[in-house]
Amino acid sequence: EAQVTQNPRYLITVTGKKLTVTCSQNMNHEYMSWYRQDPGLGLRQIYYSMNVEVTDKGDVPEGYKVSRKEKRNFPLILESPSPNQTSLYFCASSLPPSPNRGDEQYFGPGTRLTVT
Amino acid sequence: GENVEQHPSTLSVQEGDSAVIKCTYSDSASNYFPWYKQELGKRPQLIIDIRSNVGEKKDQRIAVTLNKTAKHFSLHITETQPEDSAVYFCAFGAGSYQLTFGKGTKLSVIP
Repeated sequence: EAQVTQNPRYLITVTGKKLTVTCSQNMNHEYMSWYRQDPGLGLRQIYYSMNVEVTDKGDVPEGYKVSRKEKRNFPLILESPSPNQTSLYFCASSLPPSPNRGDEQYFGPGTRLTVT
Repeated sequence: GENVEQHPSTLSVQEGDSAVIKCTYSDSASNYFPWYKQELGKRPQLIIDIRSNVGEKKDQRIAVTLNKTAKHFSLHITETQPEDSAVYFCAFGAGSYQLTFGKGTKLSVIP
């Protein structure tokens, strides 16, 4: 089954304790992204990657790191989490744009993070 | 950064009526405009998208229109059903990999 998976799905942690949220896709997609979703703010892009070893900042990258060592994985790293990073996080993947097919971005199930 | 204004933030319609959600964007270079539906507790899912070289696209009860000159695009849902109740997000960007999202419209379809 084609899918994007994230782990963990729920996480409660304390300020300053480094954490990693994993994201994996089995569709051989080149593009992957991380978003955070906060009430009333919609989805905001944190980082995206257009291929292995190619990453770039989205709209809200501060306090986050990513890596893309393999095509299928795109982990999100919070080196020193703070309460303002409490949010719902989504990973997503897609193929490069093409005029000959849809441009759908597939989202993972989400990770709800609480930082106390 | 780029931004998009999405209106209304909430919308209630009677079952069978039409619903229209509008978005105005800032980046005239954007050429990809998707709409996502997010049901409560679920992930966003693409329902329709349009590219800048097309003015309108329709898929059954859902249609999207794009006015590049005015920099706005709209989602139209006809013959609404209770299962259309959800939060809808517009977005724009160079492609699905780099999107700026609106803040969402909560649509309630009243049976």
